[in-house]
Amino acid sequence: GAVVSQHPSWVICKSGTSVKIECRSLDFQATTMFWYRQFPKQSLMLMATSNEGSKATYEQGVEKDKFLINHASLTLSTLTVTSAHPEDSSFYICSARGEREPYEQYFGPGTRLTVT
Amino acid sequence: GQNIDQPTEMTATEGAIVQINCTYQTSGFNGLFWYQQHAGEAPTFLSYNVLDGLEEKGRFSSFLSRSKGYSYLLLKELQMKDSASYLCAVMESNYQLIWGAGTKLIIKP
Repeated sequence: GAVVSQHPSWVICKSGTSVKIECRSLDFQATTMFWYRQFPKQSLMLMATSNEGSKATYEQGVEKDKFLINHASLTLSTLTVTSAHPEDSSFYICSARGEREPYEQYFGPGTRLTVT
Repeated sequence: GQNIDQPTEMTATEGAIVQINCTYQTSGFNGLFWYQQHAGEAPTFLSYNVLDGLEEKGRFSSFLSRSKGYSYLLLKELQMKDSASYLCAVMESNYQLIWGAGTKLIIKP
């Protein structure tokens, strides 16, 4: 149980275009999901907390107009990178919080974004 | 403030034992997690401690001392596949996870 899928696994896009990444909890309902990014050889950096039915909470320094998050259902959250630039190239990982204690986070497999 | 410290990198030999330490200072505490992350992959859950003491799971054990703000992950009978980054994360009272920077573990034959 507690499987989280992420799509696409990898994507290459041109500078200036937008990319949408989907995160789904397959066998449980996730009121809260998280979006992280990770640069090579660095640790996870939390970008935002996504709550079903409400606006996402962004971490300091993360542009909410650039990284649009939508959590319209209990099993789906999406991250859209708008007007992507090469510096947005990174590994984006989502996680979903479990329904019961200890409320651990279950991670999706990640999406590798390359902006050319 | 909030702070989680763990060594940046450690090296150990196949078949040996290694202990990865994590110290933390957070405003609240609702448990401590250890995750394993292989290069290019997402983290996977290893262990959870909320009470003081040792939790054992096969070759992996995790220890917690809340009074000292200290935890360690113990890996026994090391295998080459254990080469990965190990992330320590503290769950605060609001169930938000505060992540350490991770410890890269290199296993040598």
